Amino acid sequence: ETGVTQSPTHLIKTRGQQVTLRCSSQSGHNTVSWYQQALGQGPQFIFQYYREEENGRGNFPPRFSGLQFPNYSSELNVNALELDDSALYLCASSDGQSSNTEAFFGQGTRLTVV
Amino acid sequence: EDQVTQSPEALRLQEGESSSLNCSYTVSGLRGLFWYRQDPGKGPEFLFTLYSAGEEKEKERLKATLTKKESFLHITAPKPEDSATYLCAVQSNSGYALNFGKGTSLLVTP
Repeated sequence: ETGVTQSPTHLIKTRGQQVTLRCSSQSGHNTVSWYQQALGQGPQFIFQYYREEENGRGNFPPRFSGLQFPNYSSELNVNALELDDSALYLCASSDGQSSNTEAFFGQGTRLTVV
Repeated sequence: EDQVTQSPEALRLQEGESSSLNCSYTVSGLRGLFWYRQDPGKGPEFLFTLYSAGEEKEKERLKATLTKKESFLHITAPKPEDSATYLCAVQSNSGYALNFGKGTSLLVTP
């Protein structure tokens, strides 16, 4: 059973640029969620995808967008990067059809905006 | 609005010194309460899910309990390798998002 994998592990971007982060879900999981974790804070929910459709969104602006592919992998896109977007971005996968709602996280992508 | 408050923010224990971490929550219908462990620069590692008041779960030196207002993570005879940040999160019946607290940073010294 493969776990959740994210790429890249680290990234440095300039303010105003665009970035794409990638996530491969755990084998057998059809639901992917993205979280942003600032230093010293708990993760904040960005959005969730189930079977290629967005089915929940947190308090993040539209410049945060995503995709889920038929193999259930996912992308997080952030446009017009701001300094405050610097954070650890976490992807979590779960089985949306199961009453067991446990979510398993990847190792994260550390994004630094300069 | 769902709220999760964890205390203390930081805890320093000597090896073998048992203690408890607290997670107080308010949620409009609890689907589940989750505990995760997070090492610096890494993603959260799943520990437990609790679904109803009175439920308890154990794993090695860790035991999680749940009431209608709070959850405790009891650490018995901790070892230095238990040093990490412990995160609590709630999921409500109205959605799928995990609402996290800020975590408790635990340091266990030899």
